[in-house]
Amino acid sequence: DTGVSQDPRHKITKRGQNVTFRCDPISEHNRLYWYRQTLGQGPEFLTYFQNEAQLEKSRLLSDRFSAERPKGSFSTLEIQRTEQGDSAMYLCASSFAPTSQRVVTDTQYFGPGTRLTVL
Amino acid sequence: AQSVAQPEDQVNVAEGNPLTVKCTYSVSGNPYLFWYVQYPNRGLQFLLKYITGDNLVKGSYGFEAEFNKSQTSFHLKKPSALVSDSALYFCAVRDFYNTDKLIFGTGTRLQVFP
Repeated sequence: DTGVSQDPRHKITKRGQNVTFRCDPISEHNRLYWYRQTLGQGPEFLTYFQNEAQLEKSRLLSDRFSAERPKGSFSTLEIQRTEQGDSAMYLCASSFAPTSQRVVTDTQYFGPGTRLTVL
Repeated sequence: AQSVAQPEDQVNVAEGNPLTVKCTYSVSGNPYLFWYVQYPNRGLQFLLKYITGDNLVKGSYGFEAEFNKSQTSFHLKKPSALVSDSALYFCAVRDFYNTDKLIFGTGTRLQVFP
């Protein structure tokens, strides 16, 4: 399978614990996005990378959240001191955007998501 | 600010009948519009996108969408619904003035009855 993969698929944790999620994008995709989806809502943007550079962080991403993409391949999203409000589906997407294009028309392909439950 | 609206929380249709899932958008400049489908406990699957050109866009699994600039709409359609089309459908617009992130609607649940 050459799609976007995420690990783990499910995570149950107690309030106050730290959690880390991993995303492996489609091979050779240079862009990687993180979104969060709560029940009954559409996904909301959290952050994105072009290669290893984190280019944007949403105001939704509090100081307890940190994301990395150290070698421009896989990415990790860490949540420190989890709160019950962090319970959600965390989605990763990747795309290929040629850097020579002035206007980007790439398509984002999503992984299966990591469902986080904070007790 | 860019936004999309999906005015129907749920759409019910009988198998074999045509289906329409509605989406309207608000953007500054030219819209880049997308439709995704989500099955239970799964991520989003890309169906189709409109960037420019023909107003009727054809996508995966027999779906198509009609871009209407005057009505600022991008409705998803299929001529003959299948029970297996039952899922959650999301319309999204590209915020390419900022970060290229996608801004999603709240989703429409499609229920196809046998």
